[in-house]
Amino acid sequence: DTAVSQTPKYLVTQMGNDKSIKCEQNLGHDTMYWYKQDSKKFLKIMFSYNNKELIINETVPNRFSPKSPDKAHLNLHINSLELGDSAVYFCASSQTRPYEQYFGPGTRLTVT
Amino acid sequence: GESVGLHLPTLSVQEGDNSIINCAYSNSASDYFIWYKQESGKGPQFIIDIRSNMDKRQGQRVTVLLNKTVKHLSLQIAATQPGDSAVYFCAENFYNQGGKLIFGQGTELSVKP
Repeated sequence: DTAVSQTPKYLVTQMGNDKSIKCEQNLGHDTMYWYKQDSKKFLKIMFSYNNKELIINETVPNRFSPKSPDKAHLNLHINSLELGDSAVYFCASSQTRPYEQYFGPGTRLTVT
Repeated sequence: GESVGLHLPTLSVQEGDNSIINCAYSNSASDYFIWYKQESGKGPQFIIDIRSNMDKRQGQRVTVLLNKTVKHLSLQIAATQPGDSAVYFCAENFYNQGGKLIFGQGTELSVKP
């Protein structure tokens, strides 16, 4: 069984559109994260939720809105997509303490 | 500031040799570090971690060394295999800031048969 899953794996869309990426974890973890990986493979934290509560928001444009309906899900909605949003987005989860984070397979977003 | 950097962006080794990937960090208060392996088209995968009260930790074919004096850690891979080819990241865990990971730039390891 997949521990952290994301859908879709690939997403191609035009500038100005609104899109969502879904993430689910079946590990029973309390905390979930979104990371962005750019074309140079640099990984940067975007958001973190703990028990459905937002605890990290790393100066991400407010076009990005995470939503956590329950602690097993953390979705990422992006409004008015821009070319610079093209990247691979990774969801991750962990226990609340400083334990390792488990990453999903990533969603490659291409904005044209 | 918050930054974790790597000395070498690429590393090429012969199959069977040992590999050493280095990482520098800047926050002297950091106390938890993780190494991740990322294969092409996949998400980062946990390899090994180390807490600041340790200098060394060993796993299966991997060893992480932490030198708090110079704020440096390294990942050693013994008897490197073709399946070890990937990008390796060190990451610093800021558990007092929601557990966020600050990643280094990554080192691409290429294993020659």
